[in-house]
Amino acid sequence: AQKVTQTQTSISVVEKTTVTMDCVYETRDSSYFLFWYKQTASGEIVFLIRQDSYKKENATVGHYSLNFQKPKSSIGLIITATQIEDSAVYFCAMRETSNMGYKLTFGTGTSLLVDP
Amino acid sequence: ETAVFQTPNYHVTQVGNEVSFNCKQTLGHDTMYWYKQDSKKLLKIMFSYNNKQLIVNETVPRRFSPQSSDKAHLNLRIKSVEPEDSAVYLCASSPGQYSGNTLYFGEGSRLIVV
Repeated sequence: AQKVTQTQTSISVVEKTTVTMDCVYETRDSSYFLFWYKQTASGEIVFLIRQDSYKKENATVGHYSLNFQKPKSSIGLIITATQIEDSAVYFCAMRETSNMGYKLTFGTGTSLLVDP
Repeated sequence: ETAVFQTPNYHVTQVGNEVSFNCKQTLGHDTMYWYKQDSKKLLKIMFSYNNKQLIVNETVPRRFSPQSSDKAHLNLRIKSVEPEDSAVYLCASSPGQYSGNTLYFGEGSRLIVV
């Protein structure tokens, strides 16, 4: 069964610095998708970035990028030049391509606080 | 911009009552989901529908029942609520069942059972 683990429960950084959030996953599938979502204080969950397992290049969107280390089953989220509004809970998630691929399995989340 | 709409946003009820949550998406997506987020922020899928057909039914108590009238609507009914049902229920949609599809979430419906 697929499993996603985020060991960092909370991180605090100073504005304009870079932060990395860790995520490791378990899967038996050879093909899968990894996602990062952000949940704001209002409760809204928004998609940030996706990594396809068959792609070697790390995905990048705006000031979000991924550190995909397939042999380690690791997908870290890197946020550069952090802003106050980046304060939120960040969820790592995985979706397999097998017949159970309809399920998006989430990690437990990492709370990020960006201080001025 | 919100395109997955949930009602009500907040509901307080007593143990044993029935409650329903409604969800509508205006994205033209084929697949819709209900997720439960507990007090520890853990997100777990409950149900998934594709074009009105149930495709994922996780191990949830039988008092939970989803209903889909068309692919744009997915409701969740809870008969005889229990204290452990207190949580935020999140509706989501995606273009289809393809595993790479992004999910779009509603703002959630918070249930408090007293």
